Parts: sequence; C-alpha cells; structure tokens
Amino acid sequence: SSELTQDPAVSVALGQTVRITCQGDSLRNYFPTWYQQKPGQAPILVIYGKNTRPSGIPDRFSGSSSGNTASLTITGAQAEDEADYYCSSRDSSGHHLGVFGTGTKVTVL
Amino acid sequence: QVQLQQWGAGLLKPSETLSLTCAEYGGSFSDYYWSWIRQPPGKGLEWIGEINHSGSTTYNPSLKSRVTISIDTSKNQFSLKLSSVTAADTAVYYCARAVRGISIYFYYSYMDVWGKGTTVSVSS
Repeated sequence: SSELTQDPAVSVALGQTVRITCQGDSLRNYFPTWYQQKPGQAPILVIYGKNTRPSGIPDRFSGSSSGNTASLTITGAQAEDEADYYCSSRDSSGHHLGVFGTGTKVTVL
Repeated sequence: QVQLQQWGAGLLKPSETLSLTCAEYGGSFSDYYWSWIRQPPGKGLEWIGEINHSGSTTYNPSLKSRVTISIDTSKNQFSLKLSSVTAADTAVYYCARAVRGISIYFYYSYMDVWGKGTTVSVSS
C-alpha cells in the first residue's frame, strides 16, 4: 500500500504535550519523516531517520515508530507550533515512490 | 547555506504544458535526489517525482504519462514538465532536495531543502 493515514486535526493546550500519529505499511521498512507547514509557506523538515532533528528544530519535537505506526510528539507545545504536519515515507511496492500522509492540523489553544 | 530557487509560468490554459525550473545554490549537486512536489489549494502534499545526478527518474504513477523531470548538472538545475494540464493541476509546485539511503535494516528518505513554491493556475 502507498497510503499514509493521519488524523485530520488535533488540539493542544499551550505548554502541554501532543502526539500525532501516522499509519502505513511502508513504515515497516522506512523511517518516517515529518514536515511542518505553516499557511503560505513551504514545508520544513522537523524529524527524519530514527529520531533526528535538523539544526534549528527545537528539542520539544521528537519522533518514534513501531510496526506500521509512526508518531511525532511535541512536548510543551508553543503557539508557533500551530501548523499542518505531514508524515512521509516511500511506498512499500519496492519502487521507492515518495508518499505523504494526509496531514494533521495542530491547533494550540 | 543551500538554497533552491524556482521559476516558471504561473498561468496556463487547459491542454498546455507546465514548465518549471529549480536551481540549487551552495551545495553539492551530485550527492542528492532532486524532487518535485505539489499542493492543490486547501489540500495536502503530493509527490510528483524525482531525478538523480545521473538522470535516473522515478515518477508518481498517477502522473507518469504526463510528467518529465530532467536535469542539467552543468547549471545545477532540474526541471519539471507536465503536459496536457487541466484545472486539476492547479497547485503550488515545490522543488526539493531529497536524501535517500539505508541504515541497518531501515531505509530513510527525507527532503531537507525546499524551494519557496510556484503557484500554477490552469484556467481557460
């Protein structure tokens, strides 16, 4: 399957913890990647590999994966974390085609 | 710091060919895959395809019959052509640099540098 499924929306109180999940068969063979996208902007990479943050990404962002489910956790959410988050991987067909999750809108209350 | 600068026509008529180019500045062009992604208004991201420095391409099966991605290593540029466009191709198109590899038993793939996006509208 080439699908990655995410919950459409989640909300979190300022300073609290929120976890975003992503499900798909390809996650059994690929590390998940997570992107953050704010309105009118290009996506930015926030987590890749086993749980690696690019330079400049706060350490309140962390990732994990088990079986066919990946998670992005924001510990101590800030107002600036309000955005759309997309997981990504390659498909499980063996052709390594790119695939994005359906996206999760995170609202910080 | 690596940057991607993209350009191309933003307004097309149905049946025309979309043409975008992306130039890389400040990095090593030969070590990566070069990707195109699009996002229709109000919708999620869609992977279009990618090319490596050798010219090997992979395309989204849903677009494969209409897509061509090419590369000019002498200019550190890569391009997207999408033929026979319709209103359904209206979207913001992004170029991105992709890293791919394998670590122990897991593959990894991520896009660490993105262009700012080009809005393409298809309308008669």
